[in-house]
Amino acid sequence: QQQVKQSPQSLIVQKGGISIINCAYENTAFDYFPWYQQFPGKGPALLIAIRPDVSEKKEGRFTISFNKSAKQFSLHIMDSQPGDSATYFCAAIIWRGAQKLVFGQGTRLTINP
Amino acid sequence: DTEVTQTPKHLVMGMTNKKSLKCEQHMGHRAMYWYKQKAKKPPELMFVYSYEKLSINESVPSRFSPECPNSSLLNLHLHALQPEDSALYLCASSQGDSYGYTFGSGTRLTVV
Repeated sequence: QQQVKQSPQSLIVQKGGISIINCAYENTAFDYFPWYQQFPGKGPALLIAIRPDVSEKKEGRFTISFNKSAKQFSLHIMDSQPGDSATYFCAAIIWRGAQKLVFGQGTRLTINP
Repeated sequence: DTEVTQTPKHLVMGMTNKKSLKCEQHMGHRAMYWYKQKAKKPPELMFVYSYEKLSINESVPSRFSPECPNSSLLNLHLHALQPEDSALYLCASSQGDSYGYTFGSGTRLTVV
């Protein structure tokens, strides 16, 4: 019930292409959906986030699409660059006395030059 | 200051040692968290402190003991760890009533 399922596990995209990562959830008590980017040896960094009453949010080359009825959301990276090569985690926040952040399993993205 | 600072960055300890991890933030965040991350896996929540009180313990073994001395500091005391406890330990903080979540760079712990 508190799982977030993420796919694919790994993704290789050519420079300039579109990277797409998908996530799904079951628990309707989740009320905020952030995406994190993590480079090796570093902590996750917030990339972009969306509330479930919004269907799309765009920040620069990064766009979240959210389908509340299907309980699915996705990250699109436009014009992908080698510097975008990292592990991406979708996540969902639920309140249990404090924020509890539940992560998807992660996608290792490689952008080939 | 918009950072969460973790020390040390690397730690090697024997199974009989006692050590502590330290986390500090000066963003006025009232919730602080410990996460454990194994290689190629997502972070897993261990503990949550809200307003300096322990609010969530995800059934973590007692060899891990958290402490929140004040609203800016969070410690994780380690004792009698096992090699399988080797991981990246991440600290994070957030405002109590909004969704900003900031992670530190972590402490890479190796238990030998």
